[in-house]
Amino acid sequence: AQKITQTQPGMFVQEKEAVTLDCTYDTSDQSYGLFWYKQPSSGEMIFLIYQGSYDEQNATEGRYSLNFQKARKSANLVISASQLGDSAMYFCAMRRSRGAGNKLTFGGGTRVLVKP
Amino acid sequence: EAQVTQNPRYLITVTGKKLTVTCSQNMNHEYMSWYRQDPGLGLRQIYYSMNVEVTDKGDVPEGYKVSRKEKRNFPLILESPSPNQTSLYFCATWGPLDTEAFFGQGTRLTVV
Repeated sequence: AQKITQTQPGMFVQEKEAVTLDCTYDTSDQSYGLFWYKQPSSGEMIFLIYQGSYDEQNATEGRYSLNFQKARKSANLVISASQLGDSAMYFCAMRRSRGAGNKLTFGGGTRVLVKP
Repeated sequence: EAQVTQNPRYLITVTGKKLTVTCSQNMNHEYMSWYRQDPGLGLRQIYYSMNVEVTDKGDVPEGYKVSRKEKRNFPLILESPSPNQTSLYFCATWGPLDTEAFFGQGTRLTVV
């Protein structure tokens, strides 16, 4: 069974500093995708970044980068130069292949609060 | 604009009163799914559909029904809602490359 573990239930970060959100996963699949989503207090799920299991380069999207360590089964999110608007809940998720239903399995989330 | 639209956004209902949460997408995606979100548990898949008339159970299907009669719509049906179905519900679709799931705005359901 797939499992995503986010060990940091909540954290504070100073504005303009970088923050790393931890994510480890467990799967026996060879092909999978890893995602990070942001959920602000308004509730919507905002896609941040994607990493494929066969991608050799770490994914980057603006201020977001994904530190993918396949052997350790970790997919940490790094947010650089934090902004007040980054205060939100962050979820790490893993997608199985279409043959397995394309299901997203989510971690329990990490709440980030950016301090001015 | 690419959209996944859920209705209603908020709903308070009573135990046992049948309800339907609608989900519609304008991206012609084949794959659609429903998730529920509960504190500390992240999101869990309820049902998914890989195409018209093709649906299958996710991790927590008990108490829910779905149908996929046309590509753009994937309603979630609660035949006899119970308080343990109080949750935040999301509809999602996948693009053809499977590198992004598009989520609806969410439906906050309270069953009293």
